[in-house]
Amino acid sequence: KQEVTQIPAALSVPEGENLVLNCSFTDSAIYNLQWFRQDPGKGLTSLLLIQSSQREQTSGRLNASLDKSSGRSTLYIAASQPGDSATYLCAHRAGSARQLTFGSGTQLTVLP
Amino acid sequence: NAGVTQTPKFQVLKTGQSMTLQCAQDMNHEYMSWYRQDPGMGLRLIHYSVGAGITDQGEVPNGYNVSRSTTEDFPLRLLSAAPSQTSVYFCASRLTSSSYEQYFGPGTRLTVT
Repeated sequence: KQEVTQIPAALSVPEGENLVLNCSFTDSAIYNLQWFRQDPGKGLTSLLLIQSSQREQTSGRLNASLDKSSGRSTLYIAASQPGDSATYLCAHRAGSARQLTFGSGTQLTVLP
Repeated sequence: NAGVTQTPKFQVLKTGQSMTLQCAQDMNHEYMSWYRQDPGMGLRLIHYSVGAGITDQGEVPNGYNVSRSTTEDFPLRLLSAAPSQTSVYFCASRLTSSSYEQYFGPGTRLTVT
């Protein structure tokens, strides 16, 4: 059974710091990996999607990387801001599956 | 486009009551799905549909029914609510089952007492 793990469960950093969120998965037959942001009481907003043929994707201050051989993805946030405070979830889609398998998320707090 | 919409936003049920959570999308997406989110467990797939008239079970289907009579709508029915179904429910859609990106509704917070 596919498992997706996100460590740490919670992270608190001062404003301006660069930070890395980690996601690991057990099924290397990956179709794509997607990073989402969830604000309290809200739905999920897609941040970045990395296809299996790609190694990274960038959007503004966000950079997501994918290492299939080690079963890991990282989300790098540069120059963090209080507005970045949210829960970040990664979701893995295996090669033959239609559905996403989610990690439990990392709750990020950026302190002003 | 309104995207993916869900109603209601909040609901409180007594054990044994039934209800339907509504989900609609206006993007002409073929693939729709329902997830539940519990603290510390991420999102788990309940049911999904690859097109009108076609549904299938996900990881945690017990206690839930779905139907897909139109492309736009994908309601989730709880026939006899149990406290274990207290959760936040998200509906999602994507263009086809092989499409890359998935879009989520705002969620329904359900409490069963």
